[in-house]
Amino acid sequence: QSALTQPASVSGSPGQSITISCTGTSSDVGGYNFVSWYQQHPGKAPQLMIYDVRYRPAGVSNRFSGSKSGNTASLTISGLQAEDEADYYCSSYRSSSTLKVFGGGTKLTVL
Amino acid sequence: EVQLVESGGGLVQPGRSLRLSCAASGFTFHDYAMHWVRQAPGKGLEWVSGISWDSGTIDYADSVKGRFTISRDSAKNSLYLQMNSLRPEDTALYFCAKDIRSSFYYYVMDVWGQGTTVTVSS
Repeated sequence: QSALTQPASVSGSPGQSITISCTGTSSDVGGYNFVSWYQQHPGKAPQLMIYDVRYRPAGVSNRFSGSKSGNTASLTISGLQAEDEADYYCSSYRSSSTLKVFGGGTKLTVL
Repeated sequence: EVQLVESGGGLVQPGRSLRLSCAASGFTFHDYAMHWVRQAPGKGLEWVSGISWDSGTIDYADSVKGRFTISRDSAKNSLYLQMNSLRPEDTALYFCAKDIRSSFYYYVMDVWGQGTTVTVSS
């Protein structure tokens, strides 16, 4: 099963901006505008942060933004805060059921 | 308050069965697709199964296909996952999640439960 590829870890200092990438193929990320991003703190359930590439659910800070270029989607967090330290997962609509739904996850460390 | 509460997890021997339940409240359950997602200890999220609003469309991850069955009961506002022929690699925290749409194929899960733990071991 092909997977959405995310960096294992990223880090940044408070106030900075960071970007997490999610690379797929034309059968998922590149072919459709249905990429979502989830935040998960240790021991907690995931929380939806971005859907349909760039839309934020009600209650999610506008410091979180999403974009896509070709087969790669990105989550950008601006004005980094300590509370942003968590694991982040991307997901995408895919044209084949043999493709995995979620990326491998990225651990964000706020220095 | 929109809420999902999973139950039914536990310790089970390999080859045995378990049925998970998810009780929904605070929203019109009948209108939305639902998912089961699991997370093995120290690992990432794995989508397990999805069911459309009317149970007309159902799909499974290859890793559970033929062993797990998803279902829903709108009269009871409940989602279920029947797990048969369990394997040690099925050990995980199982989350129930609501989709924002009536179809699950876009995998946009806006409400999650806290999960129920399944441990498969002899």
